[in-house]
Amino acid sequence: AQSVAQPEDQVKVAEGNPLTVKCTYSVSGNPYLFWYVQYPNRGLQFLLKYITGDNLVKGSYGFEAEFNKSQTSFHLKKPSALVSDSALYFCAVSPTNNNAGNMLTFGGGTRLMVKP
Amino acid sequence: NAGVTQTPKFRVLKTGQSMTLLCAQDMNHEYMYWYRQDPGMGLRLIHYSVGEGTTAKGEVPDGYNVSRLKKQNFLLGLESAAPSQTSVYFCASSLGRVPLETQYFGPGTRLLVL
Repeated sequence: AQSVAQPEDQVKVAEGNPLTVKCTYSVSGNPYLFWYVQYPNRGLQFLLKYITGDNLVKGSYGFEAEFNKSQTSFHLKKPSALVSDSALYFCAVSPTNNNAGNMLTFGGGTRLMVKP
Repeated sequence: NAGVTQTPKFRVLKTGQSMTLLCAQDMNHEYMYWYRQDPGMGLRLIHYSVGEGTTAKGEVPDGYNVSRLKKQNFLLGLESAAPSQTSVYFCASSLGRVPLETQYFGPGTRLLVL
């Protein structure tokens, strides 16, 4: 069975500083990896995904994530944080041999707080 | 184009009561999903549908039933609500199979079971 770990419940950074939100995964075979963001009282919004190819994936709002197969990680990064980036971030994984057509497994979420 | 909508936004139930949550999408998506979100546990898949008239169980299906009579609607039913079903429920849809296709989420329904 696949699983996702987001080891930090909360990450605090100052505006303008770089941010990293960590994600590690466990899956049989090669993974598809995702990041979603959730703003207060809203549904999840897709940020980016890794399917294959370049290990550095660029997504919405200036975010990027780096796939590291040896460390089974997919950390979310942004060079310069904005106060408006404050939200709840979810990492998710799906195996490439997903025949059920549905199985995204989500991590527990990391709350990002960007202070002015 | 409203995307994915959910009704109601908030509901309080007493233990043993029943209710139906409605999800509607106007993107002509084939796949639809129901998740529950609990603190520290991320989202867990309850049931999903790969097309009109089809449904399948997800990770945590017990205590819930679903129906997909129309392509654009996906209903989640609680026959006899329990306090353990207090949660935020999210509906999502995708054009095709995840993960090649992106899931789009609704705004959520907050359910409190007393």
